[in-house]
Order: sequence, then C-alpha cells, then structure tokens
Amino acid sequence: SYVLTQPPSVSVAPGQTARITCGGNNIGSKRVHWYQQKPGQAPVLVVYDDADRPSGIPERFSGSNSGNAATLNISRVEAGDEADYYCQVWDNSGDHVVFGGGTKLTVL
Amino acid sequence: QLQLQESGPGLVKPSETLSLTCTVSGGSISSRGYYWGWIRQPPGKGLEWIGSIYYSGSPYYKPSLRSRVTMSADTSKNQFSLNLTSVTAADTALYYCARLRRQWLGDYYYYYYYMDVWGTGTTVTVSS
Repeated sequence: SYVLTQPPSVSVAPGQTARITCGGNNIGSKRVHWYQQKPGQAPVLVVYDDADRPSGIPERFSGSNSGNAATLNISRVEAGDEADYYCQVWDNSGDHVVFGGGTKLTVL
Repeated sequence: QLQLQESGPGLVKPSETLSLTCTVSGGSISSRGYYWGWIRQPPGKGLEWIGSIYYSGSPYYKPSLRSRVTMSADTSKNQFSLNLTSVTAADTALYYCARLRRQWLGDYYYYYYYMDVWGTGTTVTVSS
C-alpha cells in the first residue's frame, strides 16, 4: 500500500515562508492535493493537482511535486494559517485515497 | 453553493452497525465527474478515507475496511449513505462526507480523485 510521509510539525515566524513536505515513492508521477484543517473545523482544499489553487484560496499558498517529495509552500505566513495540513494522493494500484499523517503548522 | 450535511446516530453500541447519511444541497449527486465519499478522523488523529461511490454505483473502499463497509446512493433524495458493520471503540471518530472530483491522468492512463467540498462532520461514539 502506498505511504505518504509528512513531518509532524513545522514552525515558522509570521511573514516568513512555511514549507511542508510530503514524501512518497515516485510521488512525482502522481497528482498531490493539500488540505488545511483548523481546530474544530472540516478540512478545506487549498491546493490540488500539485500546484493549482481553488477559488478563494490566497496566492500565498503554492505547491510543487517532483521525484519523491511534494511540497506545500505558504508565503508571508499569518497567524490565521496555523492549522493541520494533510497531503493526499490516489493510489491507482489499489484504487483508494491515501492521506499523509498530517503536519501541524505553528506560527511563532 | 454546494453543501453537504451528515446525519445519523451519535452513539452506537459495540458489534452493531453504524449508519450515516449525507444530504447534498445546491447540486446533484448525479453530476458527471464526481464521486461521493466518507472520511473519518479519530479523536486527536489524522484523516482516514473510508470509501467513495458514484451516483450509479461503482464503489471504492479502503482495503482494511472493505469487509465491513457498504455505501449507497439515492438520487431521488440526493443523498448517499455509509454502513459500517461490527463496530468497535476503534470506529469512534468524527465522520465527514465529501464530494470527490474525478480527473484523468493521461500520462499514466488512470483516474484520480480529490475532495473539493466537505461536510461539517458528525461525531460517532461506539460505546455500550
């Protein structure tokens, strides 16, 4: 079964850039999607297809995917960005959704 | 805009069946190109996909849950449902329903899916 690995936590100062990684075997051959989940709220899609943003998501959120790692970048981090972030792919070998374990972003 | 709302018992006894329904408003579950799914989140833990279904059938289930999960869709009510049998305390979680967008990855010749709209979630506790 396909496995996605995320760091449990990332900390960044306001105004800086947060980088959250998502590792997987040859993940560059898949499309990666990212969700933001604030405390007590449902997840929200913030990046899909590696690097595209849904309507209403700030340009500060961007993504990349190559080789064995995908990355979610959040530039000019704000206090309101503090949340858990999950990466997700479709495992076509088993026909199922796979989530990463999640990364807690702390804004210092 | 599209909204999804989960409903069902908040408390289920061990060994019984957990049944949840997701009611969709502002759009049709018969829309082409979209699947409908269930995701859960145990207290303090991460997201776990349970399964997804098209309006006409063709479900996908998480392999480790496949023997206990059944999903169905009712186009007349614009709803889809989850049944999870033989529940234990490990099934205690916040359950979300979601819409999945289906896209074609031409380079590798397969469809892939991601969740673009989520419900607010409903808590289910398994306890006697």
